Amino acid sequence: EIVMTQSPAALSVSPGEGVTLSCRASQRVSSRVAWYVQKPGQALRLLIYADSTRAPGIPARFSGSGSGTEFTLSISSLQSEDFAVYYCQQYETWPPATFGQGTKVDVK
Amino acid sequence: QEQLVQSGGGFVQPGGSRRLSCTASGFIFSGYDVSWFRQAPGKGLQWVSYLSFTNGATLYADSVRGRFAISGDNNKKSVSLHMNNLRVDDTAVYYCARLDVTLGRGLSDVWGQGTTVTVS
Repeated sequence: EIVMTQSPAALSVSPGEGVTLSCRASQRVSSRVAWYVQKPGQALRLLIYADSTRAPGIPARFSGSGSGTEFTLSISSLQSEDFAVYYCQQYETWPPATFGQGTKVDVK
Repeated sequence: QEQLVQSGGGFVQPGGSRRLSCTASGFIFSGYDVSWFRQAPGKGLQWVSYLSFTNGATLYADSVRGRFAISGDNNKKSVSLHMNNLRVDDTAVYYCARLDVTLGRGLSDVWGQGTTVTVS
């Protein structure tokens, strides 16, 4: 099973600032990393798949990058609705598709 | 708008049973697969089970195999997770998710809102 490790676990950011979240896989993943966002009481929403492809309806301020075992999600100019928990997921080896523990982004 | 609406959570005693439902809104499951995931308090997301509406294949995590059963209805509008012989460590928020194999096998592109099962 591939273990996904996210960092940091939490960070505080001011609205309008940019942020980069990291995700490390325990073994090489080939174009099969996704990022999701979860707000309290809401369903997870797919942001990025295939490492860097934005899901339909996702604003351009969200971007994914990386390869091999290191992946990042960048959010430029955080909006109020972006303060939430973000998860990375590998679906290279499935089942199971495995998730990181999440990074909580809150308001500074 | 494509959504998954979940129901069926609640409190259950150890050894008891519960059925969770996941209903599609704005689409039907034909051409898609479905997985259930769960998140125990303070823990990460864990895959639980899978159903293919294409060929009827089912898969289960080792921790639930033999106790849980996944099924889909004939009109391809809903999926159920039948949970039997529940244990305290099955306590979690359970999520259903649609898998779009055209985007990548194992990728969940639409999720339900989650339903809480508490075994105590």
